[in-house]
Formats: sequence, C-alpha cells, structure tokens
Amino acid sequence: GAGVSQSPRYKVAKRGQDVALRCDPISGHVSLFWYQQALGQGPEFLTYFQNEAQLDKSGLPSDRFFAERPEGSVSTLKIQRTQQEDSAVYLCASSLPSRGDTQYFGPGTRLTVL
Amino acid sequence: AQSVSQHNHHVILSEAASLELGCNYSYGGTVNLFWYVQYPGQHLQLLLKYFSGDPLVKGIKGFEAEFIKSKFSFNLRKPSVQWSDTAEYFCAVNKLFSGNTGKLIFGQGTTLQVKP
Repeated sequence: GAGVSQSPRYKVAKRGQDVALRCDPISGHVSLFWYQQALGQGPEFLTYFQNEAQLDKSGLPSDRFFAERPEGSVSTLKIQRTQQEDSAVYLCASSLPSRGDTQYFGPGTRLTVL
Repeated sequence: AQSVSQHNHHVILSEAASLELGCNYSYGGTVNLFWYVQYPGQHLQLLLKYFSGDPLVKGIKGFEAEFIKSKFSFNLRKPSVQWSDTAEYFCAVNKLFSGNTGKLIFGQGTTLQVKP
C-alpha cells in the first residue's frame, strides 16, 4: 500500500498484560515517529527513529514503554504491564529524512486497558 | 512550557459560513507550522504547511492559513465551509533548532461541525 499501516487497529488488554503495536511506514521513509493521543487531546510525541537508530525517546512516559525498529523499516511499540492510563490511540508517522518534512500518519491503534 | 494553543475546542457552523480557527504557539525560534485534519473514521491528513516565504499558505480543499510571526499565530481560514468539512483540526509546530528531530507539537484540536 501507499500509506502508513498499523496493526492491530484495536486492542483490548487486561491491566498488567504486555502489548505490542506494529507500524509499517511508507517505503523509503527514513524517519519514523510514534505519538500517543488521549481522548479529546492532540497527539503527543513518544519516540523517533532514523532508520534503525532510536534518536529521541524523550516522550516515552515510563520504562514500561519500549520501541524498536531493528531493520530500519517496520517498527514495534511495546508496552509492558499495561495500566489504565495507557488507554489511548497510538499513532505512527513516517517521513523523508529532512526534519521539516511532512509526516504521514497511519490510522492508529486504539488501546483500551481494562 | 512551550506549547501550541487552539482557542476553539468546538465550533458549529452552517454551510457557506466563513471559518477561522485560531492557533498560537509559544516557541520563540524558527518553526515549521502545520494544520492536520482528521475526518470521521479516517487518519490524520495534512491540510497545509508553512516552512518559509509567503506567510499566506494555501492548502487543499480551499483552506488557507496565515503565519503572523509577531503574534506567534497560524490561523486557519476558509471562506465558505461545506458539510464535508466536518472534522477535527489540529495545529502543529516543528521547532527548528540543532539536534531537533522534527517531532511535532500538537494543539489539543478543534472539532468543527458543519450543519447542512
């Protein structure tokens, strides 16, 4: 496909479970971003990759959040021991390498922690 | 803290009315500015962006925005809205400084409802 894809689209987890969210960026896009969007709010930055290198993880809210992009393409955001406050939509965006380039967003994964 | 503020949280208009959504940011350096739109059930899409040059930027679907540096503002406008413009609108800023990765700082969004 031509756009950013994410899976699953919806995830329900019991508190304490681990979850893994996947992002397939646009082919050739070097930059990949993860954002968290709480209900009624704008997206908030979590982490950034340039190819396989995680260059900025300043937005990760706790050490329960972990992201990787081992081959510089697909990325996975993992949340360990999920808490209710982790409930949100997790958005992935990709772009060309210039830091001002347009970011193209995926449809997001809506995570609900019970 | 540096932030992006969207003053209108929920706007209701009738078709053909004019639209202006406010956006202010608090960062004093050089920025790139964006408006994204999210139609019901769809993902975030770029509406328009400002990098440099003419401060009046035209985007898709008849939208435009004006960058006023002295006011730290980037307001979105459309002279005549349509029912299909019903969506959530987000203003975003990319602060340009050495070492910045290009991450976007978003406002909290404005929900626009256009009545037919």
